[in-house]
Amino acid sequence: QVQLVQSGAEVKKPGASVKVSCKASGYTFSNYDINWVRQAPGQGLEWMGWMNPNSGNTGYAQKFQGSVTMTMNTSVTTAYMQLNSLTSDDTAVYYCARGQHYSSIYYYYYMDVWGKGTTVTVSS
Amino acid sequence: DIQMTQSPSSLSASVGDRITITCRANQSITSSLNWYQQGPGKAPRLLIYAASSLQSGVPSRFSGSGSGSDFTLTISSLQSEDSGTFFCQQTYSTPHTFGQGTRLEIK
Repeated sequence: QVQLVQSGAEVKKPGASVKVSCKASGYTFSNYDINWVRQAPGQGLEWMGWMNPNSGNTGYAQKFQGSVTMTMNTSVTTAYMQLNSLTSDDTAVYYCARGQHYSSIYYYYYMDVWGKGTTVTVSS
Repeated sequence: DIQMTQSPSSLSASVGDRITITCRANQSITSSLNWYQQGPGKAPRLLIYAASSLQSGVPSRFSGSGSGSDFTLTISSLQSEDSGTFFCQQTYSTPHTFGQGTRLEIK
């Protein structure tokens, strides 16, 4: 079945970096974007950016420009999200999600398959 | 960035009730609006995409409507498993912003 399996929980100190992985299976990896969304404790969802495994193109929310890097290894159908210079505000659950799109009159985009999330805790 | 505002922030309803959640964008987003449901401690689940298209496997009691800047999610007959938080998301332009969420409690 189609699934995204994420790496385990991380505890990091302020100023450190974290790299979260997201392994895709059950579908052709290169045909769909991977998005990253985070959720701070008790808060809503925050879209961080996307990556296209076929082209290697990425798009980041301006808030994360300069601190996030999204990459992939197509040979192992895995996407990665690295976040640098961590602060306590980066404590959150990080989700990867498959991006699906189609065009009719307009272009539509949505995230139809989600990983279970990776908890990242930033604490001194 | 496009701002998405949901109402109400929370609601409580009984099994069998019909409920509606509203999502408003601060500019037109045509029909580029998705709805997700999130259970406690779980990942979000796609319910509705392109404002009114039901995702495969989602019960037909869920429906979406709207275009431009005003959208609604309706659950026609609440079931106990529908509790959780509902989020709208616009994908008209990046960043693909979410509403703040609507928490649904089943009485």
